[in-house]
Amino acid sequence: EAAVTQSPRNKVAVTGGKVTLSCNQTNNHNNMYWYRQDTGHGLRLIHYSYGAGSTEKGDIPDGYKASRPSQENFSLILELATPSQTSVYFCATGTGENTGQLYFGEGSKLTVL
Amino acid sequence: GDSVTQTEGQVALSEEDFLTIHCNYSASGYPALFWYVQYPGEGPQFLFRASRDKEKGSSRGFEATYDKGTTSFHLRKASVQESDSAVYYCALGMSNYNVLYFGSGTKLTVEP
Repeated sequence: EAAVTQSPRNKVAVTGGKVTLSCNQTNNHNNMYWYRQDTGHGLRLIHYSYGAGSTEKGDIPDGYKASRPSQENFSLILELATPSQTSVYFCATGTGENTGQLYFGEGSKLTVL
Repeated sequence: GDSVTQTEGQVALSEEDFLTIHCNYSASGYPALFWYVQYPGEGPQFLFRASRDKEKGSSRGFEATYDKGTTSFHLRKASVQESDSAVYYCALGMSNYNVLYFGSGTKLTVEP
């Protein structure tokens, strides 16, 4: 069954620490995305990728890096985590065929203390 | 920049009530418009889209009509059920529709 799997599902980190959120997909979709979800802001795009080796900046990339080493995997990296990055992060995939239909994972809840 | 605005943060209804969730957009070009739904504990999922003026999108009893004149794409359902309780997101995509920009979401609670 095609799926978007995120890990870890829950993470508590300390301020200044490094955090890596991972996303694996079996949809074989070209496009992958990282969004964060916050009350009052909805879903905001952080980084996205059109394929292995490519990353693009979304609306709020500051403080985040992304890595797409393969078709299946897309990581979001917080080199120096801050409390303002406490949020729920969603990975999504899309076919790249201009449909606008994205397939989301179940989310990763990050708390930075 | 391009954006969508959802005016209701929360909506509370009883079963069989009529639902309207408002979505207005601002875009420099001609966007496609989308509705996504997020059930508790899950990621958002695609509901439907419309990509031209006067086009109606629909799914699962929900519908919305693209209105370029009023820059709106309001979500409606004639008779809601408790199982419709969820967060609803309006979104827009420009040119290739591969990058979507979401609104702030509307939490719908339906009481039995």
